[in-house]
Amino acid sequence: EVQLLESGGGLVQPGGSLRLSCAASGFTFSTYAMTWVRQAPGKGLEWVSVISAGDNSTYYADSVKGRFTISRDNSKNTLYLQMNSLRAEDTAVYYCAKERQQKTSTLDYWGQGTLVTVSS
Amino acid sequence: QPVLTQSSSASASLGSSVKLTCTLSSGHSSYIIAWHQQQSGKAPRYLMKLESSGSYNKGSGVPDRFSGSSSGADRYLTISNLQSEDEADYYCETWDSNTVKVFGTGTKVTVL
Repeated sequence: EVQLLESGGGLVQPGGSLRLSCAASGFTFSTYAMTWVRQAPGKGLEWVSVISAGDNSTYYADSVKGRFTISRDNSKNTLYLQMNSLRAEDTAVYYCAKERQQKTSTLDYWGQGTLVTVSS
Repeated sequence: QPVLTQSSSASASLGSSVKLTCTLSSGHSSYIIAWHQQQSGKAPRYLMKLESSGSYNKGSGVPDRFSGSSSGADRYLTISNLQSEDEADYYCETWDSNTVKVFGTGTKVTVL
């Protein structure tokens, strides 16, 4: 059974940093691309970033480019999202999700999410 | 990059059917999409991958009353024999060759 378990969310002040983790199990983590998606309170889903399998290519939404960094540790079956220079508009539930293929395609499994609140 | 357009809401009676539409922007009518369901307060759940041909591939445990179809730039999700647990937000998703992923704005389904 595929499981994705996010952690690391919490309350942080504007300008601060946070690192999210997503522990994966139930599939061969190293062979699939992985994605972060966020959802602001009462809003829809917003894609944040993706990392491919194999060459570890990374891509970001314009709203987070230069501030967020996605990475993966295949030896630990874990996906990360380093978030710097956080803003109030980054407040959201952050979901990690598994892609169907080695590179971006469609998502087929989601984690339960972790809440990030940016506020003073 | 593609844009996905969804109606904001839909409603139908318990036991009836509802058909949701996700429309791809001009020039992207051949794109594959996915449908996801998000019940209130829960994480999204993958329902199916849907191709331009109308062929679809459902996720594990998705009931038979969920089906997909396509016509031109439109991608449909039909829920038959509507149940109370089907009350949720439904999002479509796609991606493009530049690896940007896009979500529709979501359709809120109410079961009357």
